[in-house]
Amino acid sequence: NAGVMQNPRHLVRRRGQEARLRCSPMKGHSHVYWYRQLPEEGLKFMVYLQKENIIDESGMPKERFSAEFPKEGPSILRIQQVVRGDSAAYFCASSPRGQGAGNQPQHFGDGTRLSIL
Amino acid sequence: EDQVTQSPEALRLQEGESSSLNCSYTVSGLRGLFWYRQDPGKGPEFLFTLYSAGEEKEKERLKATLTKKESFLHITAPKPEDSATYLCAVLGQGAQKLVFGQGTRLTINP
Repeated sequence: NAGVMQNPRHLVRRRGQEARLRCSPMKGHSHVYWYRQLPEEGLKFMVYLQKENIIDESGMPKERFSAEFPKEGPSILRIQQVVRGDSAAYFCASSPRGQGAGNQPQHFGDGTRLSIL
Repeated sequence: EDQVTQSPEALRLQEGESSSLNCSYTVSGLRGLFWYRQDPGKGPEFLFTLYSAGEEKEKERLKATLTKKESFLHITAPKPEDSATYLCAVLGQGAQKLVFGQGTRLTINP
C-alpha cells in the first residue's frame, strides 16, 4: 500500500476527547475517500472529497464527524467528543480522478486504528 | 441499494488445493467490480477490476471472472503466502463510493 499515507497508525482517546486522523493521497491523486471498518464488519463508505470540496458525505454521521481536504496539506477526518462506538479502523483511499470520470481503482492506506477508552 | 455478499466467510485449504471464492451482487448499473486483498493490520491492496459480464483477469495464481450476478475469484495451487482476507466491491451507476462485501478469510496450510 505504498503511496497513501495515514497517520497516526494507532490512536487512543478517552471518551469525550477529539480524534484527528490524517491522510496524504498518492502523488498525483486529488480525490480522497474515507471508509470505516468496524470489528467483524466490512468497509463502509463515509465521505468523498476533492481539494477544498466535499462531494459526497452520505455515509458520515451527521453529528460529531467532519472531514476536510484543504488546498495544501493532508485530508483530515475529525471526530469530536468520541464515544466507545467510534472504535474502529479508519481507512483512506485515493484516486487520480473521480469515479464518475472513469472506473479507476481506489488505492488504500494502511489505516488508523482508533481505540476509545 | 447496492449490495454485495461474499461466501464463504472463511475457507481453509491445504497448499496446492485449488478453490473459488464467490461474490454475489445487486447493483443499479454496474460500472466496475473490484477485488482487493487485505492482510492483517494493513489496508486493502488492489487486485483486479472487472467491467462487464464475461470478462476475466489473471494475476499469478488468481483469476477473477464476472457474470451479471456474481464474480468468482479462482485460486489455483495456492501457497501459504496467499493467506489473507479477499474483499469484493462494486461501483454502481452514478455512484462515487465503493460498496464492499464482508470478505472471505482464506487460510492456506503448508
